[in-house]
Amino acid sequence: ILNVEQSPQSLHVQEGDSTNFTCSFPSSNFYALHWYRWETAKSPEALFVMTLNGDEKKKGRISATLNTKEGYSYLYIKGSQPEDSATYLCASNILTGGGNKLTFGTGTQLKVEL
Amino acid sequence: DGGITQSPKYLFRKEGQNVTLSCEQNLNHDAMYWYRQDPGQGLRLIYYSQIVNDFQKGDIAEGYSVSREKKESFPLTVTSAQKNPTAFYLCASSILDVLNNQPQHFGDGTRLSIL
Repeated sequence: ILNVEQSPQSLHVQEGDSTNFTCSFPSSNFYALHWYRWETAKSPEALFVMTLNGDEKKKGRISATLNTKEGYSYLYIKGSQPEDSATYLCASNILTGGGNKLTFGTGTQLKVEL
Repeated sequence: DGGITQSPKYLFRKEGQNVTLSCEQNLNHDAMYWYRQDPGQGLRLIYYSQIVNDFQKGDIAEGYSVSREKKESFPLTVTSAQKNPTAFYLCASSILDVLNNQPQHFGDGTRLSIL
């Protein structure tokens, strides 16, 4: 994988459902994996920065795991609420000729319906 | 409140005109970044700066210029050489981070359109 890829592109769930989505990234020269939440008409907000293989982080009903050897991270939301509706972005460093910079995926758009 | 302020929220550019997008932060962050978002694409890095009076090109720097004369300010100029400037522009800042393990803090963005 040469880019950061997220799936699915969009997701509709019912209130109370648990859900998860995936971020795939290049596993070579890995430094960090970031997750951000971006609500409509607001600025992206950092959820997690993960650096170690096997890392698990949690913030309320949201948690994330990291597998640096195979190059993927999962974001889980337990008991989705309408206020969880947002686009979830992940970003990882990719070493390029220009240096070590974050590369963002296209995001997973989550809609939680009543 | 500490944060990042981008202005204006909406900006219109005429053909052949340069326009400057403002980004100010009061978080005392050393590093600042400019991203561009187009429909169906991830945020793409235009320029970044890790210290005053120094900045580096990102992945899509052509047609853009920046300056970093003060720690809290990182304005982006979209020049007439940028042939497709219509996009949403986001500014971000972070603690100095050579390993990319510090979270970035974002502004609310500027939407630029061509008249």
